[in-house]
Amino acid sequence: EIVLTQSPATLSLSPGERATLSCRASQSVSSYLAWYQQKPGQAPRLLIYDASNRATGIPARFSGSGSGTDFTLTISSLEPEDFAVYYCQHRRTFGQGTKLEIK
Amino acid sequence: EVQLVESGGGLVQPGRSLRLSCAASGFTFDDYAMHWVRQAPGKGLEWVSGISWNSGSIGYADSVKGRFTISRDNAKNSLYLQMNSLRAEDTALYYCARSGSGWSYFDYWGQGTLVTVSS
Repeated sequence: EIVLTQSPATLSLSPGERATLSCRASQSVSSYLAWYQQKPGQAPRLLIYDASNRATGIPARFSGSGSGTDFTLTISSLEPEDFAVYYCQHRRTFGQGTKLEIK
Repeated sequence: EVQLVESGGGLVQPGRSLRLSCAASGFTFDDYAMHWVRQAPGKGLEWVSGISWNSGSIGYADSVKGRFTISRDNAKNSLYLQMNSLRAEDTALYYCARSGSGWSYFDYWGQGTLVTVSS
């Protein structure tokens, strides 16, 4: 069973800064990796699928990269609404999440 | 507009049963696989079960295998989760989610229905 490990657990940044979130798989998942954003009281929202493809309606400041076992979600310049929890996912497995909080 | 609306959650005693439903609209239901994903209070996401468009392929997390049964009725655009022998650790918000045929990602989610297992 594949395990996804996200780092860091918490990331404290200010609006306008660049955020880099990591997801590492215990074995290769090729490019089958997705990223989700979840805000308090809301359902998760798909941001990135197949490692680097933005989902419909997702702003260009969100980008994904990587393949095999190492993946990155980058938010180029943080907006106030981007502070949330982010999860990576491969098929039936989710990472434990990274909380992006305002510094 | 794609909409997924879950229902059927509530407070139930350990060992009892509950049936969740998910009503889908805004897309061709039988073109997609469907899933249940849950989130315990203050915790992360856990995939529970998935079903292919024609019910030909079904999967369960080890934590629910043998206790939960997923099904769908394409004529009614509905997804179901029959939950038996419920345990305290099944307490969670249960989301209905849509995926493509490869089950590789979930592009639309409902708002969830809360299941609380407690005596």
